[in-house]
Order: sequence, then structure tokens, then C-alpha cells
Amino acid sequence: GAGVSQSPRYKVTKRGQDVALRCDPISGHVSLYWYRQALGQGPEFLTYFNYEAQQDKSGLPNDRFSAERPEGSISTLTIQRTEQRDSAMYRCASSTQETQYFGPGTRLLVL
Amino acid sequence: AQKVTQAQTEISVVEKEDVTLDCVYETRDTTYYLFWYKQPPSGELVFLIRRNSFDEQNEISGRYSWNFQKSTSSFNFTITASQVVDSAVYFCALRGRSGSRLTFGEGTQLTVNP
Repeated sequence: GAGVSQSPRYKVTKRGQDVALRCDPISGHVSLYWYRQALGQGPEFLTYFNYEAQQDKSGLPNDRFSAERPEGSISTLTIQRTEQRDSAMYRCASSTQETQYFGPGTRLLVL
Repeated sequence: AQKVTQAQTEISVVEKEDVTLDCVYETRDTTYYLFWYKQPPSGELVFLIRRNSFDEQNEISGRYSWNFQKSTSSFNFTITASQVVDSAVYFCALRGRSGSRLTFGEGTQLTVNP
């Protein structure tokens, strides 16, 4: 079956613009996660959902970051008023039990 | 707090050598899960294995094997007869009993030279 998909794969934006990153999980997976990975580092947790409910958003760095999953499937991570320090790979994962399967990521570059 | 340490930043070997990637973890949870993921040059993050804290049996899958030792809080990964296609960054990760987030190590860049 299809894996986790993310779009866009690459996003270049100017400082101050808003961006929306999309994640389409594996069909039937209840849980969906967002991580951010800086170059040369491991992924860091941002937030996660069970169905449409956001269970933990403690990893979001500040209030410019938000996420939603209104129908319990596709999720959107939004970054408002982007800053250069937001440049990173944003990864989405989904799971049905303990194992999280990752999408290809969105590479965000803020100029 | 949970922590995963991969002390080896980079390892370089010649094809057909065996190589072991180290992973040490810290957690206060009595039940937890350990993982290894592979990030090849193409950039995706590929799941390799999950281990439950209550199952200390070592596991072998083809050329890959994993050694889980609770006494030393380690979950090491060995590749036997390495191949050029094994070149990648390998991440060890931990998920505690409470909460669902994965805590990753910094990764080990493995380069297998022909």
C-alpha cells in the first residue's frame, strides 16, 4: 500500500511569509506525528494527533507554529511569519501501534 | 527525561568489513521501545527494527543484527559483510511508555567504500 506522503517536497519562501506543509498518512493509521530535522541532527518531535485530537504539542517551538488534522486523516503544519531559523526538513510520520513510518519530508528554506 | 546517545558521529569501512553502530539510552520508564532507522543519501527515513524493553532476545535479519542489553542500556546494531549500499546515516530512537514521541540520537554516518 501507499506510504506516508508529504507536499510540497521543497519549499523556498521569504522571511515573514506563512507556509503550510501537508501530510497524508498511511490509510487507517490513527496516530500522526510531526518532527523537525536540522542538518546533521536527528529529528525532533513537534506534535502529534490521535484521530483529529491533538494530544501533545509541547514540541512546537513557539506560537508561530500550529498544526491541525480536522478529519482525522490529512494534517497541515502551518508556520506563520517564517524566520530563517525555521529552515529545516519537516517530517511527518504515522503509526497504528508502536512503530512510526515516516514520509519523505518537506525541505523548507527561508531566505 | 529521555535521552539517546550515538557516540560515533562517522564511521568509514571497506566493503565486506563488519561494523557495529553503538546506541546508549536513558529513560525512567520501565516499559519502552527502541528503534533503528536508516537515512540513505536520498533523504527518506526508513524503519529497520523495533525492540520492546521486556524482550531482550537478540535479533538477526540477513546481514543485520541487533544486540539489546538492558544492564548497560545499550541497543547496538551490527552490519555483517558491509556493502556500499549500506552507506547512510543510521538513527537510534527511543519511545517511552508514557507518551508517543520518539527521541532520536544524533545519528551515525556510515560510509562503506568499495
